[in-house]
Amino acid sequence: QLKLQESGPGLVRPSETLSLTCIVSGGTIGSIAYSWGWIRLPPGKGLEWIGTISYSGLTYYNSSLMGRVTISADPPKNQVSLILNSVTAADTAIYYCARLFSGKLGTPRLDYWGQGTLVTVSS
Amino acid sequence: DIQMTQSPSSLSASVGDRVTITCRASQSIGSNLNWYQGKPGKAPRLLIYAASSLQSGVSSRFSGSGSGTDFTLTISSLQPEDFATYYCQQSFRNLLTFGPGTKVDIK
Repeated sequence: QLKLQESGPGLVRPSETLSLTCIVSGGTIGSIAYSWGWIRLPPGKGLEWIGTISYSGLTYYNSSLMGRVTISADPPKNQVSLILNSVTAADTAIYYCARLFSGKLGTPRLDYWGQGTLVTVSS
Repeated sequence: DIQMTQSPSSLSASVGDRVTITCRASQSIGSNLNWYQGKPGKAPRLLIYAASSLQSGVSSRFSGSGSGTDFTLTISSLQPEDFATYYCQQSFRNLLTFGPGTKVDIK
């Protein structure tokens, strides 16, 4: 069974860098069939897509975060990472990693999710 | 960027009710539309993909329809475990966008 587990600091100071890791078990991140994404849920708001990395390392980002966000993958460690620079209180959220699968119909969907990790931006 | 809207933003319903949620895209996305269920303290759960395909393990009381810009999620007979927030999400050209969500609570 595929399992995703996010980890990282629960508290980040304003203007500093948020860094999270998603460890994948029960499957390989290098499979051609899958991409891997980060999504966040700010308190009292809805889900927001942050970005995605494909099996080949291609990245796609939410334009509202462009310039502050980097997603990378480490296939030998089977993990995906998120870096968000210059954080503010608006970046406080539960951060999720998820698998993006296209399948035969070619519609990418987030079919497996981690449990999420709460990151609070505060001094 | 493609923008997604949902209506209503919230609704109150009773167990056994038929519930319909609408999602609209700012431009045509074909059938590249998925639906998720979100509950506090839990990971979001994929319900419907490609507008109308039921994800494995999801109850058949959930169904989806639509194409182009207008989509619908229907719960045929609301159950106690269905009280949650529902999000649509488009995935056109590798850029994803979620709708703002529809909260379904108990009447």
